[in-house]
Amino acid sequence: ETGVTQSPTHLIKTRGQQVTLRCSSQSGHNTVSWYQQALGQGPQFIFQYYREEENGRGNFPPRFSGLQFPNYSSELNVNALELDDSALYLCASSPGWDSYNEQFFGPGTRLTVL
Amino acid sequence: GQQLNQSPQSMFIQEGEDVSMNCTSSSIFNTWLWYKQDPGEGPVLLIALYKAGELTSNGRLTAQFGITRKDSFLNISASIPSDVGIYFCAGPGLQGGATNKLIFGTGTLLAVQP
Repeated sequence: ETGVTQSPTHLIKTRGQQVTLRCSSQSGHNTVSWYQQALGQGPQFIFQYYREEENGRGNFPPRFSGLQFPNYSSELNVNALELDDSALYLCASSPGWDSYNEQFFGPGTRLTVL
Repeated sequence: GQQLNQSPQSMFIQEGEDVSMNCTSSSIFNTWLWYKQDPGEGPVLLIALYKAGELTSNGRLTAQFGITRKDSFLNISASIPSDVGIYFCAGPGLQGGATNKLIFGTGTLLAVQP
């Protein structure tokens, strides 16, 4: 059984560019949640995808968008990158949308915006 | 909104010492989770608490669910160098009446001197 994987590991972009981050969920999990973790802070909920539909969103602007595919893997897209978007982006998969205590996290993608 | 504050922010201890950290909230949580995050990794769940007053152990780790439901404590006994990392408390956040996201605390950085 493979765990949650994320790609790429690191990414450097410039302000105004667009970025796509990818997450493969753990086998048997149908839900993916995305979190942003700024340096020195705890993760903050961006949104959740359950069975290919967005199922809840945190306090993030519409330029943060996502997708979930039939195999339950997921993408996070960020348009018009800003310097404050520099952070570790974590995805977590779980066996259900309300299985908040069974979220398994990937290693994250470190995004740097210059 | 729901916020979790952790103290202390950081701890620098000698190997073998016991450690205590806590997490407080202005609102009630019905579940408390404690995570550890190693450098370059996502958070890993250590202990889950579901009932006010509950005391749960996982090896050298012991966590308690506060009676007021507004706080939780984590103790580590006989610390070892691999205990180094950032410890987060977390609880389920409400999203339009549904509980599908985690609210994370501000984190406690633990450094252990061999």
